[in-house]
Amino acid sequence: NAGVTQTPKFQVLKTGQSMTLQCAQDMNHNSMYWYRQDPGMGLRLIYYSASEGTTDKGEVPNGYNVSRLNKREFSLRLESAAPSQTSVYFCASSESFFQPQHFGDGTRLSIL
Amino acid sequence: GENVEQHPSTLSVQEGDSAVIKCTYSDSASNYFPWYKQELGKGPQLIIDIRSNVGEKKDQRIAVTLNKTAKHFSLHITETQPEDSAVYFCAASIGNDMRFGAGTRLTVKP
Repeated sequence: NAGVTQTPKFQVLKTGQSMTLQCAQDMNHNSMYWYRQDPGMGLRLIYYSASEGTTDKGEVPNGYNVSRLNKREFSLRLESAAPSQTSVYFCASSESFFQPQHFGDGTRLSIL
Repeated sequence: GENVEQHPSTLSVQEGDSAVIKCTYSDSASNYFPWYKQELGKGPQLIIDIRSNVGEKKDQRIAVTLNKTAKHFSLHITETQPEDSAVYFCAASIGNDMRFGAGTRLTVKP
């Protein structure tokens, strides 16, 4: 009964470092999403994947890349981290396209 | 693109009272309106949603109403309980564009 699992839960990086945030869902959902959440703002979509093998840019894609490894897994990569990418990152999945139902508990990322 | 405004940003009510959170959207073609509850340290949880062909939907103590003409929708929580305390987000979507409101922090005082 895991739902959406994100790893790691916390991470501190230095400017210029790279890292990959992992996300996996066990509900056999086709659609998956990556959001960032900043104080005083709603969630903003970074990238989404409508189905296995497809990915598309969302509202704020600059500085990020994604991989839909298989139906279960959707990873988010920061190639060269910047302080402006300090945020909480959420992965979500859904059965219906663009109706995110289940969210992970987030990755809290700080970039110094 | 879509733009969603949410009010109020904070709301404090006494246990047992009702709470109402309102959102307005800009794109009249938006057709899906979900509401999420986010507890501290957790991800958002979908609590109720409504589609543009429905004016009202209810699920136990929560209800959502949609006024397409005025382009606004509201979340109503009746008989509030301390465990309703959380941040609530509305969203509006059309196709592959979904935008979220900035959130309402609801505090229910025992």
